[in-house]
Amino acid sequence: NAGVTQTPKFQVLKTGQSMTLQCAQDMNHEYMSWYRQDPGMGLRLIHYSVGAGITDQGEVPNGYNVSRSTTEDFPLRLLSAAPSQTSVYFCASSGWRSGNTIYFGEGSWLTVV
Amino acid sequence: TQLLEQSPQFLSIQEGENLTVYCNSSSVFSSLQWYRQEPGEGPVLLVTVVTGGEVKKLKRLTFQFGDARKDSSLHITAAQPGDTGLYLCAGAGNQGGKLIFGQGTELSVKP
Repeated sequence: NAGVTQTPKFQVLKTGQSMTLQCAQDMNHEYMSWYRQDPGMGLRLIHYSVGAGITDQGEVPNGYNVSRSTTEDFPLRLLSAAPSQTSVYFCASSGWRSGNTIYFGEGSWLTVV
Repeated sequence: TQLLEQSPQFLSIQEGENLTVYCNSSSVFSSLQWYRQEPGEGPVLLVTVVTGGEVKKLKRLTFQFGDARKDSSLHITAAQPGDTGLYLCAGAGNQGGKLIFGQGTELSVKP
């Protein structure tokens, strides 16, 4: 049982480049979300989804796009990377079948130079 | 905007000491979760508290949810080096899948 899988684990981008962080879950969870973690700030919600075809903004959505075409996948797109987007990104999923416990991926370390 | 204030941010203690971490908010949460995170990994759920005044124990860890469901605490008795890590509290509203996190507490337990 893979749980929540994120790729890539590490990425270095130049300012202005675009990229997509992939996230997939195999638990048939309704809810998926993306967080970023910065020192001293805990995890902050970027975007989330309550089901396929439905997405909404979280606390820090600027500079990021998401889509949810399937239940399993929730990619996060950086449109034009900026140094302020250097962070650790976590994808998470939850669902009523799992008692709404939130499961996190292992994280993606992104550096924008 | 819902906020969770977690304190202290850093805690360095000797093995065998007790400690308490606090999470406070002016907002009411439907539940509050505590996570532990190891370097290079994602947060792992320790416990969820749902009812105001609820107390849950996990070996040497005691979690409490405030009566008004606005605050919570984590108490560790006789800390051990294996308790070292980042502890995060997170509040859930009525909408599933969304969490508001505190800033985290970096705990270091020295032998």
